Amino acid sequence: DAKTTQPNSMESNEEEPVHLPCNHSTISGTDYIHWYRQLPSQGPEYVIHGLTSNVNNRMASLAIAEDRKSSTLILHRATLRDAAVYYCILRDAGSQGNLIFGKGTKLSVKP
Amino acid sequence: EAQVTQNPRYLITVTGKKLTVTCSQNMNHEYMSWYRQDPGLGLRQIYYSMNVEVTDKGDVPEGYKVSRKEKRNFPLILESPSPNQTSLYFCASSLIRTGSTGELFFGEGSRLTVL
Repeated sequence: DAKTTQPNSMESNEEEPVHLPCNHSTISGTDYIHWYRQLPSQGPEYVIHGLTSNVNNRMASLAIAEDRKSSTLILHRATLRDAAVYYCILRDAGSQGNLIFGKGTKLSVKP
Repeated sequence: EAQVTQNPRYLITVTGKKLTVTCSQNMNHEYMSWYRQDPGLGLRQIYYSMNVEVTDKGDVPEGYKVSRKEKRNFPLILESPSPNQTSLYFCASSLIRTGSTGELFFGEGSRLTVL
């Protein structure tokens, strides 16, 4: 699976938008971009995924660069409950191969 | 309810005493995986399985064994636990059929302490 690069940590203020970046310059044409988050003392949970087009769901939006070498997870209005570690992962749509997590980005939200 | 169930959730044991952490999923998922999580190191994969009787090593397999005799179960075996295996363990599963999203479902975690 292709590797992703994320900042170690980010800070945000409550009720402000948060943009979490992810670089994946070696992404292949069949790789889906997945985002997971892990709240304190919990297992990781799925947030969103996409292939080429931008995606929205009730939790977040995913903006994918035109060349697909980077993506951004957007939390439109951060809440204290969004403080978590966010993981960006690539997974091949065809083989659905092994999933490797990196260290993710630790998001802190200030009141 | 779709879920991944791990047992035990908490365990304190002693060095050398064999133990098994069970993992079961009720979603008919082909893919299952074990991760360990330690402070500052993120989620590191121990073993994974693409289907029944198909297992492979992840990044940190030393000291662990797994088996996949049935689709729903993927136990993690520590034959002779050592203190450096004190960690938080997560089991996860997903579909891997072509066309599926491959969303991973995680268990609630098993916190293991080896004295």
